[in-house]
Amino acid sequence: QVQLVQSGAEVKKPGASVKVSCKASGYDFTTYAINWVRQAPGQGLEWVAWISGSNGHTNYAQKFQDRVTVTTDTSTRMAYMELRSLRSDDTATYYCARGNYDSGGRTWFDPWGQGTLVTVSS
Amino acid sequence: DIRMTQSPPSLSASVGDSVTITCRASQSISSHLNWYQQKPGKPPKLLIFAASTLQTGVPSRFSANGAGTDFTLTISGLQFEDFASYYCQQSFSIPLTFGGGTKVEIK
Repeated sequence: QVQLVQSGAEVKKPGASVKVSCKASGYDFTTYAINWVRQAPGQGLEWVAWISGSNGHTNYAQKFQDRVTVTTDTSTRMAYMELRSLRSDDTATYYCARGNYDSGGRTWFDPWGQGTLVTVSS
Repeated sequence: DIRMTQSPPSLSASVGDSVTITCRASQSISSHLNWYQQKPGKPPKLLIFAASTLQTGVPSRFSANGAGTDFTLTISGLQFEDFASYYCQQSFSIPLTFGGGTKVEIK
């Protein structure tokens, strides 16, 4: 079945970087994009970035533009999100989600990875 | 950025009730609107995409409609497993944005 499995929880100090991975299985990795979405504790969902599975094109939310990089490795069906210069308010669960599309250009996220909790604390 | 405003932020209902959640976009998004359900400690689950298309495997008690700026999600005959948080999300333009969520609680 289609599945995204993410790496485990991380604890980082302010100013450090974190790299979260997302392994895809059960579908043609190059046909779909991977999105990254985060959720601070008790808060709502916030889109971070998008990367094409075929050509590596990316789009970032402006608030993360200078600190985040998303990449893929098609040979291993892996997607990665690196967030630098971590702050306490980056503490959140980070999700990867497959981007599905229709002929009308609409897109939706399904499935989602299980989430990776990143805790930023001194 | 397109702002998505959900209402109400929370609601209390009983098993068997019908509830409706509203999502309003700050500008027209055509039918580029999705709905997700999230339970505590779990990732969101896709319920509805393209404003009104039920995702495979989602019970038919869930329905949604709308276009332009105003959208609704209706749950007809709440079941215990439906008590959760619900989010709308627009995919019309980057940055993709979510509504603030609606928590459906047991009365």
